[in-house]
Amino acid sequence: GESVGLHLPTLSVQEGDNSIINCAYSNSASDYFIWYKQESGKGPQFIIDIRSNMDKRQGQRVTVLLNKTVKHLSLQIAATQPGDSAVYFCAERKGGANNLFFGTGTRLTVIP
Amino acid sequence: NAGVTQTPKFQVLKTGQSMTLQCAQDMNHNSMYWYRQDPGMGLRLIYYSASEGTTDKGEVPNGYNVSRLNKREFSLRLESAAPSQTSVYFCASTGQGGYEQYFGPGTRLTVT
Repeated sequence: GESVGLHLPTLSVQEGDNSIINCAYSNSASDYFIWYKQESGKGPQFIIDIRSNMDKRQGQRVTVLLNKTVKHLSLQIAATQPGDSAVYFCAERKGGANNLFFGTGTRLTVIP
Repeated sequence: NAGVTQTPKFQVLKTGQSMTLQCAQDMNHNSMYWYRQDPGMGLRLIYYSASEGTTDKGEVPNGYNVSRLNKREFSLRLESAAPSQTSVYFCASTGQGGYEQYFGPGTRLTVT
């Protein structure tokens, strides 16, 4: 079946290092992708999004890369900080759908 | 702006009891959504409302009903709660022309 999934359920990085969180999707009709951050006890918070007509988008300390050939999405966080510790979700919008489909999430732990 | 607000924050129900989860947004968004989040899983869509006066089933609608009371408010009702409905419930909204969803802080529901 079609799914949005993540390669790694957990990721630990040293403070100051760069983090890369990966996400695979299987629906070639998906036209929009988004990354959310969820801190413990809180709702998901928007980080960055990208449309399928782009392959890279940058925000403040974050970059999303989209490889449509292999249906892969990644979130890069530069100079990771303790405040970046959270669960990160990718989600996709399948063409024509009114809603997003979420992956299971990756827990990022930043080691001081 | 408060964004998306949800009440209550916590609730404990006995099996068979009913309750309504409330959600309101002050961003003048057209679309609103209800998700549930279970441990180790991503967000699963229960119901959504693309606009005032319309509602549609999502991935896991069984055991739930919704009401789009007006443009601001979207409630989720459990008519006869079951232990399988123990979860964290999130409400979200999206503005016209956009896909990014803004989430509320969640309601943690336990059914015993």
